[in-house]
Amino acid sequence: GQQVMQIPQYQHVQEGEDFTTYCNSSTTLSNIQWYKQRPGGHPVFLIQLVKSGEVKKQKRLTFQFGEAKKNSSLHITATQTTDVGTYFCAGPRNYGQNFVFGPGTRLSVLP
Amino acid sequence: DGGITQSPKYLFRKEGQNVTLSCEQNLNHDAMYWYRQDPGQGLRLIYYSQIVNDFQKGDIAEGYSVSREKKESFPLTVTSAQKNPTAFYLCASSTGLRSYGELFFGEGSRLTVL
Repeated sequence: GQQVMQIPQYQHVQEGEDFTTYCNSSTTLSNIQWYKQRPGGHPVFLIQLVKSGEVKKQKRLTFQFGEAKKNSSLHITATQTTDVGTYFCAGPRNYGQNFVFGPGTRLSVLP
Repeated sequence: DGGITQSPKYLFRKEGQNVTLSCEQNLNHDAMYWYRQDPGQGLRLIYYSQIVNDFQKGDIAEGYSVSREKKESFPLTVTSAQKNPTAFYLCASSTGLRSYGELFFGEGSRLTVL
């Protein structure tokens, strides 16, 4: 079946260091979404990418959608303690009209 | 303020009991979803609904039931047939499946089976 994978599963960084998480789909996606879940909280939508090769920036966060529309990445420059949480990517399923989520990357930032 | 309200936030249940988790949205969204999250894992889809009086099974529907009698409401019942119900349950909504709009999540309900 359709799968979405993310690496790494965990990442521990020192505050100020950069962080990148990668998302890979087994199938081509029409779009991809990214969510952030703070510890003890609920997922919050960050961004949606639609076009092949698209790059979007939100302050220190840079999101990229691969040319083949099967992979994506989230890069955080100069991490802060407020970046702590789990980052999920999600894409529309090829059938069934719903979303499939990756397992997430849990980011810890040491002050 | 528009949003999604889940209740209760915490729930304890004895084995063999059914429990119903409430999910209400005032965003006028057509689509609603229920996800289950276990520690250190991603979100797994239980059920979803595109319109009133219609819903479809997700990846892990066994032991769960839902109803969609009103556009605003999508309650989830965790039945005694669910083998391992202790988990964090998240309800979400979106503008519509065809537009693949962003998902808005409630704050979740944490169910513990004693």
